[in-house]
Amino acid sequence: LAKTTQPISMDSYEGQEVNITCSHNNIATNDYITWYQQFPSQGPRFIIQGYKTKVTNEVASLFIPADRKSSTLSLPRVSLSDTAVYYCLVDQRTGGFKTIFGAGTRLFVKA
Amino acid sequence: SAVISQKPSRDICQRGTSLTIQCQVDSQVTMMFWYRQQPGQSLTLIATANQGSEATYESGFVIDKFPISRPNLTFSTLTVSNMSPEDSSIYLCSVQPRTASTDTQYFGPGTRLTVL
Repeated sequence: LAKTTQPISMDSYEGQEVNITCSHNNIATNDYITWYQQFPSQGPRFIIQGYKTKVTNEVASLFIPADRKSSTLSLPRVSLSDTAVYYCLVDQRTGGFKTIFGAGTRLFVKA
Repeated sequence: SAVISQKPSRDICQRGTSLTIQCQVDSQVTMMFWYRQQPGQSLTLIATANQGSEATYESGFVIDKFPISRPNLTFSTLTVSNMSPEDSSIYLCSVQPRTASTDTQYFGPGTRLTVL
């Protein structure tokens, strides 16, 4: 099962772009990369998912290089409400569906 | 998407007792999951509960301690049995809707359990 490694915490200021990089060296061919956001006292919320290259939605962009051993979540122009924990996950699709959460990155956005 | 509710939202229990947590989904789903999240920590998968089959438990979790029911495609329960203070945690259920184009999971709000 692919393990993920991401920074424990990051600080930013309102209006800045934030990039959170995640390493997943043992990702398997059929695995997807998914990012979730969690606010205090709430369950995690899906942000974005990708397999390779670049994926963009109304919330974020996800960049995945050709070797797929890492990925970068990009949050454009963050606001105070983006302060949360961000989890990078590798969704195992070989041998049955399973999602294992890593430690996550605590993003703190300052005014 | 899927809307998930959990009951109770929080509870304070005595050591040695059991608590059953309910998870209700507003649509039919095949796969449901139960997680535990201790304060300030990440989520740990307890088990996968698919309707019509026995729950599959992760390493470190056993059925006698965390029995799970999955009577239909919209409901599941997790029981925390013979509780100790170490069981104090947030318990979350999640689902993967049938219609999801990706393997997106939707999470309930969680049940905050305190064991005295």
